[in-house]
Amino acid sequence: GAGVSQSPSNKVTEKGKDVELRCDPISGHTALYWYRQSLGQGLEFLIYFQGNSAPDKSGLPSDRFSAERTGGSVSTLTIQRTQQEDSAVYLCASSLVVSAYSEQYFGPGTRLTVT
Amino acid sequence: SQQGEEDPQALSIQEGENATMNCSYKTSINNLQWYRQNSGRGLVHLILIRSNEREKHSGRLRVTLDTSKKSSSLLITASRAADTASYFCATDAGSGAGSYQLTFGKGTKLSVIP
Repeated sequence: GAGVSQSPSNKVTEKGKDVELRCDPISGHTALYWYRQSLGQGLEFLIYFQGNSAPDKSGLPSDRFSAERTGGSVSTLTIQRTQQEDSAVYLCASSLVVSAYSEQYFGPGTRLTVT
Repeated sequence: SQQGEEDPQALSIQEGENATMNCSYKTSINNLQWYRQNSGRGLVHLILIRSNEREKHSGRLRVTLDTSKKSSSLLITASRAADTASYFCATDAGSGAGSYQLTFGKGTKLSVIP
């Protein structure tokens, strides 16, 4: 496929459980971004990767959130001990390079519901 | 804090009419982008306008940028029912580390009535 893909598309989990969200960027894109979209909160930047490196993790909401990227391709966002306030749509995007002028291509998102 | 703020929050028009959405931001930028989102998923990039540009066109879309007022507008001409979606403006952080980081507004929800 030519676009950014994310899995799962929907995830329902119980409070306290860990979840792992996956993002497959467009082939050849060195930059990868994670955002979160909560009802009434708009889109919130979480973290970005340049290759496999995440130089700035300050956007992650808490230390329960972590992300990694391997092989310059797939990325996983892990949320430990999920809380109800983690319920949101998690969006991944990729771009050719990390640049303010580089168009970001978004995946369809993972809708996470914590019960 | 939100960098981009769109208005109106919601807009309802008849098919064939033009739709105008506005975005205001607070700090200096390198560029401003507009995205569309259908049904709460899948953001689609529409257009990017650089800080040294004043107007840009793409099909039925026209974007203006006024850096002195820190505002942008998105005009959709001859709207269609398929244009029904939420529209977001996104700005970069301007300069320094993290300038790539996009900050989105809360969006304008456009409804085009057939």
